[in-house]
This record gives sequence, C-alpha cells and structure tokens, in this order.
Amino acid sequence: KQEVTQIPAALSVPEGENLVLNCSFTDSAIYNLQWFRQDPGKGLTSLLLIQSSQREQTSGRLNASLDKSSGRSTLYIAASQPGDSATYLCAVRLNDYKLSFGAGTTVTVRA
Amino acid sequence: GAVVSQHPSWVICKSGTSVKIECRSLDFQATTMFWYRQFPKQSLMLMATSNEGSKATYEQGVEKDKFLINHASLTLSTLTVTSAHPEDSSFYICSARQPVWGYNEQFFGPGTRLTVL
Repeated sequence: KQEVTQIPAALSVPEGENLVLNCSFTDSAIYNLQWFRQDPGKGLTSLLLIQSSQREQTSGRLNASLDKSSGRSTLYIAASQPGDSATYLCAVRLNDYKLSFGAGTTVTVRA
Repeated sequence: GAVVSQHPSWVICKSGTSVKIECRSLDFQATTMFWYRQFPKQSLMLMATSNEGSKATYEQGVEKDKFLINHASLTLSTLTVTSAHPEDSSFYICSARQPVWGYNEQFFGPGTRLTVL
C-alpha cells in the first residue's frame, strides 16, 4: 500500500523567506505526483503536476522536483508572501488513477 | 475550464437522517468521479470511485450501504450519507477525471462540510 509522508507538518516563516516542503512515498511505481494548495475549509487547487518521467516542474515562484527512485519530491516556494499561507498537500497517482495523499504541511508566512 | 462544483457547500442535519451531496463537472464530461473525506488536520482519504452508468467501487473499510453513490450522467455524481450519525461529520470532496494533453488529471470540487448533530 502506498504511503505518503509530508514533513514538516507545520512551518512558520517571515515574509520573503524561501519555503521548502518535503514529500516522500513508499512505492516508487508512480504515474505522477501532484502538489495542491488547500485554504481553510476549502477544496484543493492544483499547483504543479510532475509526470513520472520528469524531474521537475516550475510555475512562477513555485518549483517542484521529483526523485522517483528515492521516493521523494520537494516543493520550493521562492520569496514567500502572506498570501502563500495555506496547507500544501502532495499526492501520488498509481496506474489505476487513484490518488494517495499526504497529511499536508501547514504554512504560515508572517508579515 | 475544468470546473467541478459541489452542492451544498455545507449542511447540518439531525442524527438518523439522510443527506445527499451533488458533484458536477460544469464544462467537461467525466466518466470517472472520486469521493474523498477529510477529517480535521488529516489528509484526504479516498472513499470510492464512481463510474458513469455502473456501480461504484468502494475502498476497503467504507460501508457501501451507508455511503450510496450514483453516477447517473457524465456530469453528475451524488453521494448520499444514509442514517447519518455524528461520526459521519466530515469534509467531503469530490473530483472528476478529465483527459488533459494525453494524460488524465483530476479536478477537485470545493468540498461539502457535513455536521451531524
């Protein structure tokens, strides 16, 4: 069974600092890995999707890397802003379209 | 594009009643929809996979007689929580699968907060 772990569970940083969020998974036979943002009481917003054949994806201040062999992904958020405060979830997809989620990292960016 | 809606966004009901939650893909047809539940400060747990025109496939430990899923059309799936109890209180999120650039991506609804008194 695929298990997804996110460390740390919570993170608080001053505005302008770079954020590093970690995700690890136990089964390397993934189809893709996706990072989501979730605001309190809201649904999920997809941030980045990395196919199993890719090493990284970038969108604006966000960069996500994938090392499938070691079962790890890292989400980097450059020059953090208070608006980046949210919970960030990673999810891996196996070949059956099902997603396995981590418990998330709750980020607080202090102004 | 690729918008998924849920209705209602929140619902409060008495113990023993049934509650229906709708999940709609607004601008695409979704042959497959997924239902998740999320407890406070925990991750999303997949409850079931809903395929249009066929019976849903439930994950281990999910009671199919309690959580009835109907996927009657390519744009609508419903989850009915029957005889709800306080322990069913949770955040329920659906997603719909759509082919995007040769692969399939899931798009998520905004969620439904269920509180059972």
